[in-house]
Amino acid sequence: AQSVTQLGSHVSVSEGALVLLRCNYSSSVPPYLFWYVQYPNQGLQLLLKYTTGATLVKGINGFEAEFKKSETSFHLTKPSAHMSDAAEYFCAVTRTGGFKTIFGAGTRLFVKA
Amino acid sequence: DGGITQSPKYLFRKEGQNVTLSCEQNLNHDAMYWYRQDPGQGLRLIYYSQIVNDFQKGDIAEGYSVSREKKESFPLTVTSAQKNPTAFYLCASSVKTGNTEAFFGQGTRLTVV
Repeated sequence: AQSVTQLGSHVSVSEGALVLLRCNYSSSVPPYLFWYVQYPNQGLQLLLKYTTGATLVKGINGFEAEFKKSETSFHLTKPSAHMSDAAEYFCAVTRTGGFKTIFGAGTRLFVKA
Repeated sequence: DGGITQSPKYLFRKEGQNVTLSCEQNLNHDAMYWYRQDPGQGLRLIYYSQIVNDFQKGDIAEGYSVSREKKESFPLTVTSAQKNPTAFYLCASSVKTGNTEAFFGQGTRLTVV
């Protein structure tokens, strides 16, 4: 069975500091991995995805994530936080050939001025 | 503009009533989904549909029903059998199920009064 664990329900950083949001997954077969962002009272928007190929994936708004199979991780990073990055972030996984996407519980990012 | 439209944005229901949430997409996507979002629990899959006139239960289908009579539309009915319906409901669609990213609507916040 697949599962997704996001470490830390809340993360707080200062503006300009590194953003690191952690995601670990379990999957018996190679997974497809996604990061989504949600602003208050809105739907989710795709930040980036990993399917195959290069393990370092670049997304929108300066975010990137690295697929590490040995660590079963797909952590999201951004070198310098901006106030507009304050939102909730969801990691998600779909197994190859599967029909269902499993979402993590989400991490709320706070950015301090 | 292509996208997914959910209506209404806010919905109030009296106990014992059925209510129907609308979801329409003009992205020509085959797959559509309904998720429920509760604080700290991420997104949980209620129902999904891979093609017109076909749909499958997700992880928390009890107390809900759907139909998929048209490719563009996937309405969700929250029945009186759903014991705790107050939540944020998100509709999504994708080109196909599984390894493609989902596009989300803006959500409907349902409150039982």
